[in-house]
Amino acid sequence: ETGVTQTPRHLVMGMTNKKSLKCEQHLGHNAMYWYKQSAKKPLELMFVYNFKEQTENNSVPSRFSPECPNSSHLFLHLHTLQPEDSALYLCASSRGEEGAYEQYFGPGTRLTVT
Amino acid sequence: GQNIDQPTEMTATEGAIVQINCTYQTSGFNGLFWYQQHAGEAPTFLSYNVLDGLEEKGRFSSFLSRSKGYSYLLLKELQMKDSASYLCAVRDGDYKLSFGAGTTVTVRA
Repeated sequence: ETGVTQTPRHLVMGMTNKKSLKCEQHLGHNAMYWYKQSAKKPLELMFVYNFKEQTENNSVPSRFSPECPNSSHLFLHLHTLQPEDSALYLCASSRGEEGAYEQYFGPGTRLTVT
Repeated sequence: GQNIDQPTEMTATEGAIVQINCTYQTSGFNGLFWYQQHAGEAPTFLSYNVLDGLEEKGRFSSFLSRSKGYSYLLLKELQMKDSASYLCAVRDGDYKLSFGAGTTVTVRA
């Protein structure tokens, strides 16, 4: 247990569905992140929030929409996804964006788009 | 973009030593991290280097040479549970963290 939880752990959705991924951290951290992990590829940073403010949008398509209502919760809203969006989506948190602060990762949501 | 290279796979015997190299080319540098990721699990933090030299933590050590854009993770006294993917990640001048594709280490009895 890293102190970062993600739900659901597995999700299968059609291309016309709308779903949301949820992440919660119990570590008192100020920064939260969404990553996409595809097989044999590097972890891709999608979004960064620091003190609830979005500080990074790494050229992510608009069919992915993040929401950070407070420093402990992070959502990723999904709509009209494509099969190539199937991947493991990892949430992470850290004490801050800068410095020697390591990131703590959640277990991920395995997403399959059919 | 940033360029981070590490070998795809390595195999070693239980009790042996394995060295995983990582080379990087980034716009500025603000630290290098190593993470371990077991299959189907989340990455977990192993080490952090921001100054040149060796950082030792039990059986694991990490080395950094900023002038060469090079780091390695050294795993000593390998155990079966060390079979995992090892991710090198570099924080650039804008504090953005970029990951390598990971090195899958297989430990054989």
